[in-house]
Formats: sequence, C-alpha cells, structure tokens
Amino acid sequence: DQQVKQNSPSLSVQEGRISILNCDYTNSMFDYFLWYKKYPAEGPTFLISISSIKDKNEDGRFTVFLNKSAKHLSLHIVPSQPGDSAVYFCAVYNYGQNFVFGPGTRLSVLP
Amino acid sequence: DTAVSQTPKYLVTQMGNDKSIKCEQNLGHDTMYWYKQDSKKFLKIMFSYNNKELIINETVPNRFSPKSPDKAHLNLHINSLELGDSAVYFCASSLTGSTDTQYFGPGTRLTVL
Repeated sequence: DQQVKQNSPSLSVQEGRISILNCDYTNSMFDYFLWYKKYPAEGPTFLISISSIKDKNEDGRFTVFLNKSAKHLSLHIVPSQPGDSAVYFCAVYNYGQNFVFGPGTRLSVLP
Repeated sequence: DTAVSQTPKYLVTQMGNDKSIKCEQNLGHDTMYWYKQDSKKFLKIMFSYNNKELIINETVPNRFSPKSPDKAHLNLHINSLELGDSAVYFCASSLTGSTDTQYFGPGTRLTVL
C-alpha cells in the first residue's frame, strides 16, 4: 500500500535540458512536500520543499510544482548538469505524522 | 565536520546475533530518526525520538530498539537478527519534529547471513 509513488525508476536527460521528476501521493491530508537527493554511499540530502498552500517553489535551477487536486508533485531541474545525476526521493508529510518517502527515481544527466 | 554520522558503515553478521548501529549528530537537533531502506528502495521510518517522546512505527518488530544516551545520540539495537533485516539503515535528525528538514547520515549496510 504505497502512499507515495514515483513511477519512473530511472530517467536519462541530456546535459543542458530540463529534467522532470514526478511523484504521486494518495492522501489528500498530506500538507508538506519535499525532494531529497541521494548520491551513492551517502545519505539523502534535502533539496527543496513546498507547503500545501503553494503551488510552486523555486530555488535556483530547481522548481517544485504541486497540483493538489491531482495529488501530484514534480521537480524540474533546468538546466540539468552531470552533477545532478543521483537518486531523487519525493517525501510527504502530514502534521503529527512522520515523513513518508517514495521509492526514488534515478536521474542520469548525460554530457 | 560531519553533521550526522553512523558507525559502522558496513555490518556483516550471522543470523541470530545481536548488533548495534550508532548514530551521532552535532547539529544540536532535538529529534532523531531511524529509517530502513528496503529491497524496493523505499525509505521507511522506524522510529522518531526526542527527549520527550519515542514514536515507534507499529510495523517494526520489537527486536529493534532505539537507545538514546543523550540528545546527540540515537543508537539502534537489533536482537536475534534475521535474514530479512538485511537492508541499509539511515539515521537522521531535525531541529524539531515537525516539518523541519531532516539531515541524514551516510547509512549502514547490514547484511545478515
């Protein structure tokens, strides 16, 4: 019973192009959403977040979009760089509960 | 300067043994967590703990127990290890327990033979 889904296990993008990573969740009560990035042999590191009162949050090359009606979250990386190659985890949070993570999407940015 | 550290990085042991994984954070955070990354790569919360409250994920077997000697440490003890316990275990911490960003350790890969 997956509350958070990342249906693309992997994604390959050419350097300089846009990377779009998607995340779907099932519970409309989730009110805070995050993206974490993970390199091999390291722990996940926080990338960007958005609360349910917003539909977009931007930080440099990274933008997170939230579509509450569709229960869909996406991360856009523009322009993509080889150093962005990593596994990206979507995480959701409901007040008083713990974070729930998706299974991750492996992004490969090709030079 | 590691913010959240875990030891050991790799742990190989026999079924039935008891083992511990240590976690330390030097961020001054109040809340610490243990996650298990399963074979399908899901990061699943096992425990969250601050100096007031331990919240246990009900799916975690009672062979797993967190021990916190002080605010900067949350160790994970596992008794009677089973094959299915093989996974990567991540420790994390956050300033408080709400929507604060969680900072993760590098993970401990546990292999039970």
